[in-house]
Amino acid sequence: EAGVAQSPRYKIIEKRQSVAFWCNPISGHATLYWYQQILGQGPKLLIQFQNNGVVDDSQLPKDRFSAERLKGVDSTLKIQPAKLEDSAVYLCASSAYWGARGEKLFFGSGTQLSVL
Amino acid sequence: DAKTTQPPSMDCAEGRAANLPCNHSTISGNEYVYWYRQIHSQGPQYIIHGLKNNETNEMASLIITEDRKSSTLILPHATLRDTAVYYCIVRVVASGTYKYIFGTGTRLKVLA
Repeated sequence: EAGVAQSPRYKIIEKRQSVAFWCNPISGHATLYWYQQILGQGPKLLIQFQNNGVVDDSQLPKDRFSAERLKGVDSTLKIQPAKLEDSAVYLCASSAYWGARGEKLFFGSGTQLSVL
Repeated sequence: DAKTTQPPSMDCAEGRAANLPCNHSTISGNEYVYWYRQIHSQGPQYIIHGLKNNETNEMASLIITEDRKSSTLILPHATLRDTAVYYCIVRVVASGTYKYIFGTGTRLKVLA
């Protein structure tokens, strides 16, 4: 089966510019997650969707970050305006509910963002 | 906040078993322990997960202590390709769904 697709793979922008990342989860996966991973750290959850509704966005810097998941499938994460500290890998993951025991996360390869 | 604590780095000789410890002393009764690994420039890859019984699959074994406050991931015969960062994660229930909280991980280096 196809995995989680993300694009672009790399992005370089200057501070104060805007940027958008795209994610296509595994077909049929209702839950979609965006994580931010700063170099040398573990992934940090930014936002979690269940179908097209937001379940948790408590860690999302809402003054500059936004995300949407139209029709409960693809998702876009946007940063506007970008700051130097936003340089990180942005990971998208998805999961399907197979009962408490069966569920697990599947990750895409991520988008590496460099803000200059 | 992360619910797990791991050593920052470990070395293992190729062909030997790699035993990666994880502390999750605040885990609740219905929270699962997951292990993922991340090879440079890739997204995290699922390894194994469990609730309270020991688990084994084609990649690894997971040993969870009886009090569930700690666990150990065992790679039985480590190869150079197992060099990666290994994350121990507790899956929590939040807002009717599951949330996966990553810690800082253990950087495993397999030596030839």
